[in-house]
Amino acid sequence: EDQVTQSPEALRLQEGESSSLNCSYTVSGLRGLFWYRQDPGKGPEFLFTLYSAGEEKEKERLKATLTKKESFLHITAPKPEDSATYLCAVRSNDYKLSFGAGTTVTVRA
Amino acid sequence: DTEVIQTPKHLVMGMTNKKSLKCEQHMGHRAMYWYKQKAKKPPELMFVYSYEKLSINESVPSRFSPECPNSSLLNLHLHALQPEDSALYLCASSQSQGQPQHFGDGTRLSIL
Repeated sequence: EDQVTQSPEALRLQEGESSSLNCSYTVSGLRGLFWYRQDPGKGPEFLFTLYSAGEEKEKERLKATLTKKESFLHITAPKPEDSATYLCAVRSNDYKLSFGAGTTVTVRA
Repeated sequence: DTEVIQTPKHLVMGMTNKKSLKCEQHMGHRAMYWYKQKAKKPPELMFVYSYEKLSINESVPSRFSPECPNSSLLNLHLHALQPEDSALYLCASSQSQGQPQHFGDGTRLSIL
């Protein structure tokens, strides 16, 4: 069974203090690793898809990287509006998208 | 540019009621999904409709039944729900099963 583990569970940052979130996975044939952002009371918002080790994607202050065992979401010089729960999900050989429990990021001004 | 619309936003119902949740997308996506999300937990897949074929998470009880009238609409019919069914119900769609899923903002369901 696919397993996705995210760490840390919660992250409190000062504005401008860069950090990284980790997503480690065990899957029988990775068909894509997805990062989402979720704000309270809202649905997850798609950020990135990564398909193969060594791949990197960037969007504003966020950068996602992928190895054969884990993915990192780097937040560079975060702002308070980057506060959210960040979810990692993997797709294996069937249709199922398996989510990690998420990392809740709080950025203080 | 991408939008999945879910109605209603909030629903309170008794255990003997029958209600339906609705989901609509006009992005031409051919796969649509229902997820259940409890507080501070990740979304859990309930159903997938892909090219009009239904796939079911076998752990989902029969009091939930999906319906896909056409490729743009997805309903979730609710009957005789239990208090533990209270959750945020999310609908998502994607161009195909391998593509990124785009989520609506969900229906917050409370069972009395």
